[in-house]
Amino acid sequence: GAGVSQSPSNKVTEKGKDVELRCDPISGHTALYWYRQSLGQGLEFLIYFQGNSAPDKSGLPSDRFSAERTGGSVSTLTIQRTQQEDSAVYLCASSPGYKQYFGPGTRLTVL
Amino acid sequence: DAKTTQPNSMESNEEEPVHLPCNHSTISGTDYIHWYRQLPSQGPEYVIHGLTSNVNNRMASLAIAEDRKSSTLILHRATLRDAAVYYCIPDMNSGGSNYKLTFGKGTLLTVNP
Repeated sequence: GAGVSQSPSNKVTEKGKDVELRCDPISGHTALYWYRQSLGQGLEFLIYFQGNSAPDKSGLPSDRFSAERTGGSVSTLTIQRTQQEDSAVYLCASSPGYKQYFGPGTRLTVL
Repeated sequence: DAKTTQPNSMESNEEEPVHLPCNHSTISGTDYIHWYRQLPSQGPEYVIHGLTSNVNNRMASLAIAEDRKSSTLILHRATLRDAAVYYCIPDMNSGGSNYKLTFGKGTLLTVNP
């Protein structure tokens, strides 16, 4: 079956611009996570959605970062006024329980 | 969160067994031990998990020490496709159903043909 998909696969933007990253989870998975991976680093948790519950935003690095999940399915991660330190691979994962299924990621480059 | 220690890198030959160690001496009694791996240019993928008993699945085996302060991921016959960064992740459950993963640096496994 279809796995987690993310778009775009690559995004190059200029410092100060806003970007939106999209995640399409596996159908039926109630949980959705966003992580980011900076060059040569491990993955860093950003935000977690579960059903209609309030999201866990404890990993968002600043108020420039926000995310929403519409209809319990597709999620969008928005970064406002991008900075060069935001350059990373942004990974989305969905889960029916404890096991997480990751998408291929979006590589964001901020010039 | 429990802290983990893994070797930065390991090397193996194709078709030989590989034992990837992980120390998690601060793990609590209810923390599962999960292993994920990340192939080059891909998102991580689940490998295996366990609590106290040794576990086997089609990908690997997980041997957990009796005191649970360490565990070993065993690949019985390494293939070139197993070359990846392997992450040992205890303490996944942050309460309720939030299983956010805390990734360390992991072990980079190189498989030689």
